[in-house]
Amino acid sequence: GNSVTQMEGPVTLSEEAFLTINCTYTATGYPSLFWYVQYPGEGLQLLLKATKADDKGSNKGFEATYRKETTSFHLEKGSVQVSDSAVYFCALSDPLTGNQFYFGTGTSLTVIP
Amino acid sequence: NAGVTQTPKFQVLKTGQSMTLQCAQDMNHEYMSWYRQDPGMGLRLIHYSVGAGITDQGEVPNGYNVSRSTTEDFPLRLLSAAPSQTSVYFCASSNNRESPLHFGNGTRLTVT
Repeated sequence: GNSVTQMEGPVTLSEEAFLTINCTYTATGYPSLFWYVQYPGEGLQLLLKATKADDKGSNKGFEATYRKETTSFHLEKGSVQVSDSAVYFCALSDPLTGNQFYFGTGTSLTVIP
Repeated sequence: NAGVTQTPKFQVLKTGQSMTLQCAQDMNHEYMSWYRQDPGMGLRLIHYSVGAGITDQGEVPNGYNVSRSTTEDFPLRLLSAAPSQTSVYFCASSNNRESPLHFGNGTRLTVT
């Protein structure tokens, strides 16, 4: 079946530190991959996406590359800010039906000044 | 541009009570879904719909009913609330599998 595994949190970093949040997936076909971000008290917002192997999604300084050979989609940012404090979710869309999304458990990030 | 609108934002129920969580989207999306978010569990799919008149079960459908009479609306019904249904509920919609989900701001439900 389809599943997403992401690194456990919480993660605490100092401002301007480098961020990596690991995400690996299992899928029967060729899924689209997503990172969503959830700020306190809000719904999830799309951060970036990649729809095929070797695609790189990027937004707001965050990047993730779709690696088919390692079934991974790790999220990175070179220099985090306090405003990046949030919960980050890795997700994939079902390649067979395109209608179901599968989410990881989320990784909480806190950036301290 | 409203996007996905959920009501209410907060709700407290007693065990056995029923209620409906409302969800409406104004983007003409065919696909709509309901998730629940629990600590350490991520988001789990309850029910989804690929168009008006079509619904299907997700990962955790027990205790919930849905219907889709219009493209815009996708209400979630709890027929007899249980404490295990205490959670934050999110409605989401999208166009297709390469399009991202658009989420509402959630409904925080407490069942006592």
